[in-house]
Amino acid sequence: RKEVEQDPGPFNVPEGATVAFNCTYSNSASQSFFWYRQDCRKEPKLLMSVYSSGNEDGRFTAQLNRASQYISLLIRDSKLSDSATYLCVVNMYSGGGADGLTFGKGTHLIIQP
Amino acid sequence: EAGVTQSPTHLIKTRGQQATLRCSPISGHTSVYWYQQALGLGLQFLLWYDEGEERNRGNFPPRFSGRQFPNYSSELNVNALELEDSALYLCASSPDYNYGYTFGSGTRLTVV
Repeated sequence: RKEVEQDPGPFNVPEGATVAFNCTYSNSASQSFFWYRQDCRKEPKLLMSVYSSGNEDGRFTAQLNRASQYISLLIRDSKLSDSATYLCVVNMYSGGGADGLTFGKGTHLIIQP
Repeated sequence: EAGVTQSPTHLIKTRGQQATLRCSPISGHTSVYWYQQALGLGLQFLLWYDEGEERNRGNFPPRFSGRQFPNYSSELNVNALELEDSALYLCASSPDYNYGYTFGSGTRLTVV
């Protein structure tokens, strides 16, 4: 089983629509969760951390379900500038302790005018 | 505050040569992480340095190595370059492994 799994997409969504992505992770000991955004041929940039209680940042809402080991990202009122690849990121642990952040392969989002 | 800086931006090498990539973390960050992103693929974890020591390495051959200096800057060395080493190499830093990483803009390595 892959450590962090995402639907690669692409998701083609009309401007103004709401879109949601899910991500599943394999390590139940994971403590830290993030969503990153990566534009074509650029470095990933932190979009938001994901907290157990869920959190919102403007049009973006992140949720964590520890029991089912999945994370979600909701984008409301999507803009053309939201077109990017969204990476689900989880802090992994093994017998030796923290292994650092593991990145999913990303979900490609295309917002259409 | 200066972000994570990487040099060079682009690097072209011949198969069999060695490449050296450099990274300076955000001031105050002691952890440096290296990732490889081949074209169209996800980020693959390479190395993690903290306080001058290697904390973890990904599933890469020993010809990928590095070090972290007393000022927390880091160097990634790739020996005996192969064509499939062509990729974007990203360096990131964080104050602690529980925090998100801040990435540099990367070094694009091309092996011909």
